[in-house]
Formats: sequence, structure tokens, C-alpha cells
Amino acid sequence: QQQVKQSPQSLIVQKGGISIINCAYENTAFDYFPWYQQFPGKGPALLIAIRPDVSEKKEGRFTISFNKSAKQFSLHIMDSQPGDSATYFCAASGGGSNYKLTFGKGTLLTVNP
Amino acid sequence: ETGVTQTPRHLVMGMTNKKSLKCEQHLGHNAMYWYKQSAKKPLELMFVYNFKEQTENNSVPSRFSPECPNSSHLFLHLHTLQPEDSALYLCASSQVAGNTGELFFGEGSRLTVL
Repeated sequence: QQQVKQSPQSLIVQKGGISIINCAYENTAFDYFPWYQQFPGKGPALLIAIRPDVSEKKEGRFTISFNKSAKQFSLHIMDSQPGDSATYFCAASGGGSNYKLTFGKGTLLTVNP
Repeated sequence: ETGVTQTPRHLVMGMTNKKSLKCEQHLGHNAMYWYKQSAKKPLELMFVYNFKEQTENNSVPSRFSPECPNSSHLFLHLHTLQPEDSALYLCASSQVAGNTGELFFGEGSRLTVL
């Protein structure tokens, strides 16, 4: 019940296209959903996060869509750029907290020029 | 130095060796974490320290021993490891553990156990 299932495992998108990564969870106690971005040789860095009181959050080209009833959330990257090529991790935790984040397995995004 | 710094970046050790990983954060945070990152697996939380007190041990084998002498430094002492312990060990910090504050990760220590 603590799992966060992330798909796809890898994704190739052309420059200017839309990248979509999906995550699903089972634990209804989860109420904090961040996305982290990791470049090769670097640690993950927070990209964007959402709480379940809203269905969508947008920051620049990055948007989280959240469907509480389906227990799913997704990351959309609009106008994808080669510099967006990285591994993306969704995560979830309960208590509105960063305390025990449960991470997905990650999606390796490649944006071709 | 800024952010979260981890040393060494790479470590190769035999199963009978004893070594330590070091993490230092320059962000004035009060919470520090150890995560294990293995290929094709989710990041696994190992330990959490909040205000120097260990508040989480996520069923980690005793061959991994954490130490947090102050809020800026975190160590992971390693002894009699197994080859399956080979992974990237990530240190992170946050303002406190238990809110929605961002986790700031270091670049990791790549551990290979022979």
C-alpha cells in the first residue's frame, strides 16, 4: 500500500512536444505529491509539488494534474526542450509532510533536438 | 561551499572493510536524511534525523550505522557490507522533517562492494 507506481520507465519526445509522466498510488493517507528531477551525476531536485486540495498546479512549462478519486497524478512538460532530458521521480507522503516520501521508480526522459 | 556536500563521491570496498560516508549541509537546516538509490528501484529512505535526533530507521540492516553529531553533519558508517549494498547513497536535508519543505539532495556517494 506504500507503493507509488510510475510510468513509463522511459520516454523519448521531440523538441517542442509534450512529455507526460504518470503516477498512481494506493494509500489514501497520502496528501503531498512532489516531483523531483535528477540530472546524471547530480542529486534529485524538487521540481513542483501539489496538495490534494487542488486538481492542477502549473509552474512555467511544468504542470501537475491530480485526480484524487482515481488516486493518480501526472506531470506534463509543455514545449519540451533538450535541457529537460533527465530522470523524473514522482513521490508521495502522508500528513502533508516530507517526512517519509515514497518515491516512484523514475522515468528517463530524452528530448531530441 | 553551498548546498549539500557528500564525500567521497566514489568508494570501493571489500566486504570486510569499514568505511564512512560524510554529508555536510550549509543551508541551516535541521533535518537530514540518508536515501539509497539502486538502478530500476525507487529511492529508499534509510534514516531521518530531526534536530540531531534519529526519528526514523526504515528497517535498515545494522551493518549501516548513522551518526549525526550536529544539524550540519551526517555520517553513514559502513561495515561488513554485501555486494547487494552497492548503490548510490544520497544525503538530503530540509528545514525540518515533517512539513512540506523541499528536500535538498547532495550529489551522492557511489558505493561498490566487492
